[in-house]
Amino acid sequence: GENVEQHPSTLSVQEGDSAVIKCTYSDSASNYFPWYKQELGKRPQLIIDIRSNVGEKKDQRIAVTLNKTAKHFSLHITETQPEDSAVYFCAATYFGNEKLTFGTGTRLTIIP
Amino acid sequence: DVKVTQSSRYLVKRTGEKVFLECVQDMDHENMFWYRQDPGLGLRLIYFSYDVKMKEKGDIPEGYSVSREKKERFSLILESASTNQTSMYLCASSSLAGGHNEQFFGPGTRLTVL
Repeated sequence: GENVEQHPSTLSVQEGDSAVIKCTYSDSASNYFPWYKQELGKRPQLIIDIRSNVGEKKDQRIAVTLNKTAKHFSLHITETQPEDSAVYFCAATYFGNEKLTFGTGTRLTIIP
Repeated sequence: DVKVTQSSRYLVKRTGEKVFLECVQDMDHENMFWYRQDPGLGLRLIYFSYDVKMKEKGDIPEGYSVSREKKERFSLILESASTNQTSMYLCASSSLAGGHNEQFFGPGTRLTVL
């Protein structure tokens, strides 16, 4: 089955700086890679996703890149703000599969 | 707007008790999931269901069972609660219709087993 590794487990950055979270996956059949954000005390919510037919996707200050050859994908947050503080989870699956395999999460703290 | 609700936000039970956690979704999703969330371990899948009365084991099914008698409701059952089942339990639902695979989560139930 799929195995997703996520690094780092914790990350602190100064407000305004960029943050990068990296994930690797094991199953070459995986072709859909979502990222979920969980604010303190709240439920995880999808913030961005990428399919394997593109190498990069951007949504305002958030971008995700995918390297299929190396089987890794990354979340990039630019111009970080206090509201970016949360736990971020990456996941991997293939279309038609109901299940997502999640990484172990990254706790991002933005330092004012 | 998708809404996934869970029966309790906080629950305290004693070792050996039978525990029921309920999840309800209002978007007619065919897929429903139960995860447990522990620090440093992420979201681990306990069981999921892709249709009424259908269930499949996830990565950590030991000590748990599930029931799905109606499409909107998915129950997680701890037959005999143990202290190592103290955790945050998250329910989720999804639909593959339209080629989208987003999972919508409930608010979670923090279960403490004494």
